[in-house]
Amino acid sequence: QSALTQPRSVSGSPGQSVTISCTGTSSDVGGYNFVSWYQHHPGKAPKVMIYDVSQRPSGVPYRFSGSKSGNTASLTISGLQAEDEADYYCSSYAGDYTLTFGGGTKLTVL
Amino acid sequence: QIQLQESGPGLLKPSQTLSLTCSLSGGAIARSGYYWGWVRQLPGKGLEWIGYIYFTGTTYYNPSLRSRVAISVDRSKNQFSLNLSSVTAADTAVYYCAREQASLYYFDIWGQGTLVTVSS
Repeated sequence: QSALTQPRSVSGSPGQSVTISCTGTSSDVGGYNFVSWYQHHPGKAPKVMIYDVSQRPSGVPYRFSGSKSGNTASLTISGLQAEDEADYYCSSYAGDYTLTFGGGTKLTVL
Repeated sequence: QIQLQESGPGLLKPSQTLSLTCSLSGGAIARSGYYWGWVRQLPGKGLEWIGYIYFTGTTYYNPSLRSRVAISVDRSKNQFSLNLSSVTAADTAVYYCAREQASLYYFDIWGQGTLVTVSS
């Protein structure tokens, strides 16, 4: 069970769109539609932004969207806002009731 | 409103057993449809799934930690606990407890996290 691969950092200006990738294998991301994304502000509890690849929990802005192609999932944040600056983690079901996380991506709003 | 709160020692010596408890308020732990789990964040690194438990006691663990980890539930106290044996400095991390939506495999409610440092 290996960690999913995410870029260490991405950045964008307010109003722009950014996309964070999450690459796994056919045993996790590619094999199941159980990919979730979490926003983590340091010192706070992580917050789920996307589950089941593209589903938004109640209260999460429409600016956040998720997708998947093959073994790679993506989180897109459109209309970037200052409060979006945080660490983002992807997670996937990996079979046999196990989960795996990505290494995290630091989003900087310029 | 459901809330989770971790508690336990913040400093351990190598070879000791890490023991943390997660207390649930605003809801019942013995409710179908949810697993109760632990996730940790190693310093400067990403999140790592540790494992989770159903209120019936069924457990699932990260294969890389399975030989050292045990998660238990106490329905009478509305709590669940993490034990991690033979700790080393590599186990220094912020430990989070969280509620997982069963069969959907994502955590929808998290505790604030507690830092556990392993040092001689």
